[in-house]
Amino acid sequence: GAGVSQSPSNKVTEKGKDVELRCDPISGHTALYWYRQSLGQGLEFLIYFQGNSAPDKSGLPSDRFSAERTGGSVSTLTIQRTQQEDSAVYLCASSLVVGKETQYFGPGTRLLVL
Amino acid sequence: AQSVSQHNHHVILSEAASLELGCNYSYGGTVNLFWYVQYPGQHLQLLLKYFSGDPLVKGIKGFEAEFIKSKFSFNLRKPSVQWSDTAEYFCAVMGSYIPTFGRGTSLIVHP
Repeated sequence: GAGVSQSPSNKVTEKGKDVELRCDPISGHTALYWYRQSLGQGLEFLIYFQGNSAPDKSGLPSDRFSAERTGGSVSTLTIQRTQQEDSAVYLCASSLVVGKETQYFGPGTRLLVL
Repeated sequence: AQSVSQHNHHVILSEAASLELGCNYSYGGTVNLFWYVQYPGQHLQLLLKYFSGDPLVKGIKGFEAEFIKSKFSFNLRKPSVQWSDTAEYFCAVMGSYIPTFGRGTSLIVHP
């Protein structure tokens, strides 16, 4: 079946603008994670959703970052008033449930803030 | 808090050489451990995982990893690497519902 998809694949924006990144998880997966990968760094956890439960936002680096998941499926990560340090690859992953299950990653969105 | 340390950031090998990538973690409780791989131009994908039972786990493409609880380690091994193993390798630990990833090891295998 189809894997995790993300859009756009690349995004160039100007400092101060808002951006929205989209993630379509694998159908039937109740858990969805967002990560940020900066150059030469590992994956930094941002937020996860599990079903209809309140998301765990403990990894969001500032209040400029927010995410929502509509209908338990598609998720959008929004970065307001982007800064140059927000430049990174943003990865989305889904799994059957949170915890032990294997995470399936999307191709990522490469964000460049000028 | 949990953390993961991958000791080798860049590894260069010739084909048929043996591989061992180090991964150490810190966490006070029971953990689930993973190795993910990202081949050039491809998505991150699972290589192998350990939850419980036999501490020696086998994954895809001839890779294996050994969980040594006393050393808080989960090293990845392969007896004989191939050019197609060139990739970025990430160790991850999950103590709760939030995984922590290491910085990754870039492996280049020369034919």
